[in-house]
Amino acid sequence: EVKLEESGGGLVQPGMSVKLSCTTSGFTFSDYWMEWVRQAPGKGLEWVAEIRNKANNYATYYGKSVKGRFTISRDDSKSIVYLQMNSIRSEDTGIYYCTLSWELWGQGVMVTVSS
Amino acid sequence: DIVLTQSPALAVSLGQRATISCRASQSVSISRYNLMHWYQQKPGQQPKLLIYRASNLASGIPARFSGSGSGTDFTLTINPVQADDIATYYCQQSRESPDTFGAGTKLELK
Repeated sequence: EVKLEESGGGLVQPGMSVKLSCTTSGFTFSDYWMEWVRQAPGKGLEWVAEIRNKANNYATYYGKSVKGRFTISRDDSKSIVYLQMNSIRSEDTGIYYCTLSWELWGQGVMVTVSS
Repeated sequence: DIVLTQSPALAVSLGQRATISCRASQSVSISRYNLMHWYQQKPGQQPKLLIYRASNLASGIPARFSGSGSGTDFTLTINPVQADDIATYYCQQSRESPDTFGAGTKLELK
């Protein structure tokens, strides 16, 4: 069974940093591209970042609103994808989902940015 | 960025057909591939992939869901609508980076 589980969220002060993790199992993680998508409270979906697999040189891509502040990375040996969020802002508040090439999604983790 | 436009809500009766539309600001088709996808999201749950590349049913999705369209105009059809289908539906394009989503169509009971 394929599983994706996000962790690392919570209450974060503006300007600070937080690192999200997405722990996966049940598939050959190293073969797949992974995405982070977020959803502000009561709002729609916004793509955040993508990391490709080794065959695609682990290329990374970012949405405009997070580029330069967020970093996506992966550890194929542990089947985990990360999202390092720096210089965090109130508009970064929301549920963060990791997805396996858009086909399967984790339950999401809440990040609340507030002082 | 490619903008996807969806109607905010659609009211439908159980057992009837629901047609949800998504219009892109520019073509999302390349050759024979229509890079539009559909998701269902229920309150408090993660999105679920329903249709990929405009008309392909994702694994485990009932056949009452179908998708069609090309270029800039796409449709998700649910026929017949069941109570379990009450949710918000999002279209997403992967033709051009960044991948973008429509604002969602909330399916409601009439």
